[in-house]
This record gives sequence, C-alpha cells and structure tokens, in this order.
Amino acid sequence: GNSVTQMEGPVTLSEEAFLTINCTYTATGYPSLFWYVQYPGEGLQLLLKATKADDKGSNKGFEATYRKETTSFHLEKGSVQVSDSAVYFCALSGLNTGFQKLVFGTGTRLLVSP
Amino acid sequence: DTEVTQTPKHLVMGMTNKKSLKCEQHMGHRAMYWYKQKAKKPPELMFVYSYEKLSINESVPSRFSPECPNSSLLNLHLHALQPEDSALYLCASSQDRGEKLFFGSGTQLSVL
Repeated sequence: GNSVTQMEGPVTLSEEAFLTINCTYTATGYPSLFWYVQYPGEGLQLLLKATKADDKGSNKGFEATYRKETTSFHLEKGSVQVSDSAVYFCALSGLNTGFQKLVFGTGTRLLVSP
Repeated sequence: DTEVTQTPKHLVMGMTNKKSLKCEQHMGHRAMYWYKQKAKKPPELMFVYSYEKLSINESVPSRFSPECPNSSLLNLHLHALQPEDSALYLCASSQDRGEKLFFGSGTQLSVL
C-alpha cells in the first residue's frame, strides 16, 4: 500500500539557518505529493504540492521537488525564521473513488530559536 | 471565505455521554472529511462525504456516527466512547475531486 516516511524530529535550528526535512514515499501509480504545516493548536494548512515528476512546489520560501527516481519529496528553506516553528507533514494522495485520500507521514517538529 | 469552522474547540465527555462535533464551510466544496489525530501522530482518515452521501468509511467503530445534513455542514455524533478515543478531530473539505484540502482547527476531545 501507499506510505510516507519522514525523518524523526525534532529538528532544532537557529534563525537564518538552512532547513532540510527528508521525505520518501512508496506508492503505486503516480501520486500527488504535499507538505502540510500544523502550528500549535491549529489544524493543518497546505504549504506546497507537486503533481508530477520533476515538478517543484514552492510557497513562503519553502521548496520541494518531486523526484520519481529516488521516490523523494524533501522540504527545504534557505533561511528559517522563528515563526516557522511548527510540525511539518509530508503526504501523498492517490485518487480513491474520485476523492483525495491523503496518507501522511509521522510529522517532523521544527524548532527555530532566535 | 476560505475557512472551515469546527465547534466546539474543546470537549470533555464521560463514557456514557452522547455529544456531537460540528463542522461548517461556505466555499461550495462538495467533499467533506473527518480525520482523527492522536497526540504526536499524523491525522488518520475516518470518513469522506461527497455530495452529502457517505463515500468512504475507514472501518470506524459504530460509536462514531457521521452525518451530512447539507452541503455546508458535517456532524460527527459520539456515543459510548472509550478513553482511547481521546484525540484531536479534524474536519476538512475539498472541491469535488480536487486535491487541496482545507482543514479546520479541530476539536480536542477528552473521554474520561
């Protein structure tokens, strides 16, 4: 079945450091890939997505490239801010009966200190 | 309006209580979802409604009973829950066959 594997957290960085959160997936067919972010006490928000191989999703300085050959979708940001502290979920979807059925990774907590 | 609104934000209930969680969206989305998220775990899909009909039930116990009275509202009726059902319950919506889910901020449920 479909699955997503993320690096264990927490990831602790200083402000303006470079961020990488690794994500790999196992799926049949050609899923769409997503990064969702969850701030404390809130629901999930879509951060970025990619729908086919070699697509790059980007938003708010975050980027991730859909790599079919390595089945990866690593999240990167060149300079993190304290406000980026949150839990980041990698996810994939295959359309099941016509509806998005997201499979999430376990989440990676990011802590950014001033 | 791009919000999914969930009420209540917090709920404490005993194992013999009956309560309901409510979710509302006014984006014209025709698919609505219930997810369950245990502490420090990813969300897990429970139910999907499409055009007010139940499309997916992920083998959820019958003590959870979903209802979609119209295209803007989604309820989750709770009865005879167990302490292990304590979790954050997230509602989401999407356009028909769309790929972007909009999540509410959730109801934090504690079962005593």
